Amino acid sequence: DVKVTQSSRYLVKRTGEKVFLECVQDMDHENMFWYRQDPGLGLRLIYFSYDVKMKEKGDIPEGYSVSREKKERFSLILESASTNQTSMYLCASSSLTSSSYNEQFFGPGTRLTVL
Amino acid sequence: AQRVTQPEKLLSVFKGAPVELKCNYSYSGSPELFWYVQYSRQRLQLLLRHISRESIKGFTADLNKGETSFHLKKPFAQEEDSAMYYCALRNTGNQFYFGTGTSLTVIP
Repeated sequence: DVKVTQSSRYLVKRTGEKVFLECVQDMDHENMFWYRQDPGLGLRLIYFSYDVKMKEKGDIPEGYSVSREKKERFSLILESASTNQTSMYLCASSSLTSSSYNEQFFGPGTRLTVL
Repeated sequence: AQRVTQPEKLLSVFKGAPVELKCNYSYSGSPELFWYVQYSRQRLQLLLRHISRESIKGFTADLNKGETSFHLKKPFAQEEDSAMYYCALRNTGNQFYFGTGTSLTVIP
């Protein structure tokens, strides 16, 4: 059973703080993703990674960076948190193979509030 | 460019009534379509995928390439179906594109 875990369920930070969100998966998946989930906007891709030390920008990368030093771990970094980054952050992983049965597996989410 | 559209943000139906959640997509290649569901206080999880042509929890979805649609249907809604539903498209680069979601409420 695939497990994707996120370091915190709830996080409260102040404007200007540096924030780290951690995600770990235990299925040896090559692909990992960070989304933010906002009401009425659905899931929007921030960054994704298809291999260690590789990263690609998604649709809304501004204000974020990522790190993938190990295959199982994908970190999202808010260099200087702002109030408009208050959101639910979802991490996901999937296999790299082209099989049509490769779905995305999601973590429980981190609800970040920036004051 | 890829796009997934879910025109209904909110949908309410009575228990036992049929339900259809709409999803339209735009993609130049051959799409892979999925429906994901998020129940209250639970993580987002896969409901079904078009390639499997399966029925999960009574839900089915047929890919209509002519209409570029992948609507989710269930003949008799149950209270436990109340959740947020997302339609998603996977491209050949393994990226997923999600719609904005439809919140389904089944009224007892």
